[in-house]
Amino acid sequence: SQELEQSPQSLIVQEGKNLTINCTSSKTLYGLYWYKQKYGEGLIFLMMLQKGGEEKSHEKITAKLDEKKQQSSLHITASQPSHAGIYLCGADSYLIQGAQKLVFGQGTRLTINP
Amino acid sequence: NAGVTQTPKFRVLKTGQSMTLLCAQDMNHEYMYWYRQDPGMGLRLIHYSVGEGTTAKGEVPDGYNVSRLKKQNFLLGLESAAPSQTSVYFCATWRAPTQYTDTQYFGPGTRLTVL
Repeated sequence: SQELEQSPQSLIVQEGKNLTINCTSSKTLYGLYWYKQKYGEGLIFLMMLQKGGEEKSHEKITAKLDEKKQQSSLHITASQPSHAGIYLCGADSYLIQGAQKLVFGQGTRLTINP
Repeated sequence: NAGVTQTPKFRVLKTGQSMTLLCAQDMNHEYMYWYRQDPGMGLRLIHYSVGEGTTAKGEVPDGYNVSRLKKQNFLLGLESAAPSQTSVYFCATWRAPTQYTDTQYFGPGTRLTVL
């Protein structure tokens, strides 16, 4: 079965600094999703990557999928307090009868210090 | 357009009690999922449904039952709650996973404590 490993598990950065979160898969990724979760709330979809070498950006957040499609990174530039939360990566996985689900990494808890 | 809603938001149970969590969606999505989230373990799939009247087991189904009598509702039941079921439960929907630009939509979660 597919497993996703996120690193680091927790991260504390000074406001204004850049940071990177990594997500490594045990198998080839066919669809990689990044979500953000604010403490005590649901998951908010950030971006989805499919193709090797693909890169997407939204505001100050950039996500990349490596050429071999086994690792993704999420980079935040000039971090702000609003970036604080838990970041999760999820990957397409197949269930029986062709149904699909997402397999998730364990999450990275990001704290932004003023 | 409410999206995905979950009822209740919080609940405290005693060991052995039963309860039902309700997930409702107004997006006409076929696929619905129940996950649990525990510290350091990400989200794990409990049960899922690929359409009205169908359900199937996920990774951690023991101690839970589900029903999808109506397309818009997916119920998660705990027949005899145990402390190990203390967790945050998330419902998610997916229009059709073959739509590769689409994603799962998550409810706000239900925080359950079993004493």
